[in-house]
Amino acid sequence: DTGVSQDPRHKITKRGQNVTFRCDPISEHNRLYWYRQTLGQGPEFLTYFQNEAQLEKSRLLSDRFSAERPKGSFSTLEIQRTEQGDSAMYLCASSSGQGSNQPQHFGDGTRLSIL
Amino acid sequence: GDSVTQMEGPVTLSEEAFLTINCTYTATGYPSLFWYVQYPGEGLQLLLKATKADDKGSNKGFEATYRKETTSFHLEKGSVQVSDSAVYFCALSDPTNTGNQFYFGTGTSLTVIP
Repeated sequence: DTGVSQDPRHKITKRGQNVTFRCDPISEHNRLYWYRQTLGQGPEFLTYFQNEAQLEKSRLLSDRFSAERPKGSFSTLEIQRTEQGDSAMYLCASSSGQGSNQPQHFGDGTRLSIL
Repeated sequence: GDSVTQMEGPVTLSEEAFLTINCTYTATGYPSLFWYVQYPGEGLQLLLKATKADDKGSNKGFEATYRKETTSFHLEKGSVQVSDSAVYFCALSDPTNTGNQFYFGTGTSLTVIP
């Protein structure tokens, strides 16, 4: 169990640029989640994959955001035309099995700063 | 809708003091409840969980009991250490939600001083 890995740890970019983050979940986990966390707040759900299928998206996920999990393994989150309000920590989590009692295992996150 | 409310911080305690962090929830179904801990610059780590009423989750001296009648899941520790300084998040997962996404509280920052 090598844990959930996220890359990069930090990203600084200018407003209007596109950014892409990567998440590698725990290998046997079929569920993958993206959350956004702003300073002083808890993580907020963005989207969820079961294997390669994106099954749910939050209303927080505007048209500028897109996520993929092409082979049911790693996932990418892309933000197009970044805005100041996109500055946040983006967390990836994974879990196994069915049911709501499975804990989610989190990566260390990607911190995005928009200049 | 589903939500979690945590007591606001920050909380500052002396080493060996008793800790309580309050957490209450609102959920459509019968949720599973979790406490996570976040150290500076790191992601969230699972601390403990409880999946049904009256269950007690425990780990590293921390405990929390799932109280359906009061919709609460308060975190307690009898004697805190400096190394417990972190931000603590209460969370729920509702089985009526397709994706079982977690709903988190806003977090409670704990500082333990020697």
